[in-house]
Amino acid sequence: SQQGEEDPQALSIQEGENATMNCSYKTSINNLQWYRQNSGRGLVHLILIRSNEREKHSGRLRVTLDTSKKSSSLLITASRAADTASYFCATDAGGNNRLAFGKGNQVVVIP
Amino acid sequence: EADIYQTPRYLVIGTGKKITLECSQTMGHDKMYWYQQDPGMELHLIHYSYGVNSTEKGDLSSESTVSRIRTEHFPLTLESARPSHTSQYLCASSEWADTEAFFGQGTRLTVV
Repeated sequence: SQQGEEDPQALSIQEGENATMNCSYKTSINNLQWYRQNSGRGLVHLILIRSNEREKHSGRLRVTLDTSKKSSSLLITASRAADTASYFCATDAGGNNRLAFGKGNQVVVIP
Repeated sequence: EADIYQTPRYLVIGTGKKITLECSQTMGHDKMYWYQQDPGMELHLIHYSYGVNSTEKGDLSSESTVSRIRTEHFPLTLESARPSHTSQYLCASSEWADTEAFFGQGTRLTVV
């Protein structure tokens, strides 16, 4: 089954720094999504990038997608303590009608 | 604010008991999902549904079962709970498989 794999899996940074995390996937996709999870609660959707897009911005978030390398990156600029969370990428698993998630990146922003 | 609700939030139950985890959404979404997640770990898809009367098993084998009699309701049942079922269960819904998914707050299940 399709799964994204984030890298690195744990990141600790100072407030104000940028945080970058990566995700790779295995099959063709229609789009790739990034989600945030705080303290083991439900996931919250952050941003969606379609397979024909290369870069997308939303506030302090920047997502890139390289379909030739089957990879995506999420950049959080000027991080805040409130950004401390786990971040997951998800794909539509090659159109198999289900949303498959990767392992997740834990990000800790130190005030 | 996501209109998808899971109950209970926390459940501690004895081995061998039958349990049903509830999930309801008011967005009219056809696609619904159940994921199992251990603390700090990845999400594993255990069940999904395309719509009413359609259910499929996910990527991770699970002893649980699901039903989809109404669009808004997607309960998960364990006929006989075991300690190995201890985990967090997350329910989600989306309009299509490749659109934004909305998650409930999760049910943290502990089987003793």
